[in-house]
Amino acid sequence: DQQVKQNSPSLSVQEGRISILNCDYTNSMFDYFLWYKKYPAEGPTFLISISSIKDKNEDGRFTVFLNKSAKHLSLHIVPSQPGDSAVYFCAASGTNDYKLSFGAGTTVTVRA
Amino acid sequence: EAQVTQNPRYLITVTGKKLTVTCSQNMNHEYMSWYRQDPGLGLRQIYYSMNVEVTDKGDVPEGYKVSRKEKRNFPLILESPSPNQTSLYFCASSLNWGVGEQFFGPGTRLTVL
Repeated sequence: DQQVKQNSPSLSVQEGRISILNCDYTNSMFDYFLWYKKYPAEGPTFLISISSIKDKNEDGRFTVFLNKSAKHLSLHIVPSQPGDSAVYFCAASGTNDYKLSFGAGTTVTVRA
Repeated sequence: EAQVTQNPRYLITVTGKKLTVTCSQNMNHEYMSWYRQDPGLGLRQIYYSMNVEVTDKGDVPEGYKVSRKEKRNFPLILESPSPNQTSLYFCASSLNWGVGEQFFGPGTRLTVL
């Protein structure tokens, strides 16, 4: 049973607008969360992360929000650019669990 | 250039024919891991290694073996491949568990007939 869920397989957004990607998790022991971005024929690349002691982390156009009580996190991309078109994976881990659990991914398409 | 390399990038084989996918990193990372990516399931961890000679199972280890005899290399071995192991495989490494993000290789597309 997947412990990290991305319920939206795809998202289409106009260039310049905001992209919001959502991720839910079920394991209350998770305390570190990451977002990875993947282009076709390449490996995933790290985008941004957040520790459970925070509720927000920002890096340029990318902001991740964490709601621990709801076991929910989201990634905001503002403004969206054509180069942001990719598959985005949410991932989570626990301090004493040396494994990383991934969601199924959300394909983002940024329209010109 | 800091990188994780995998070979081969593409492989078509037949059921039962043993194969090895190599993985090498040049960043002196201690933590290495193997994942498989399947449609609708995302990436699932197969095995990981905290350091040389220290390996452990991930979420889907059945049918796979690994070894970590040197820090830089972490080969994935399929002793008797089956069609349900047809997948896209990624190797990844990080400085240490919990220290920095994981760097991924370019992937190996495996088809087992």
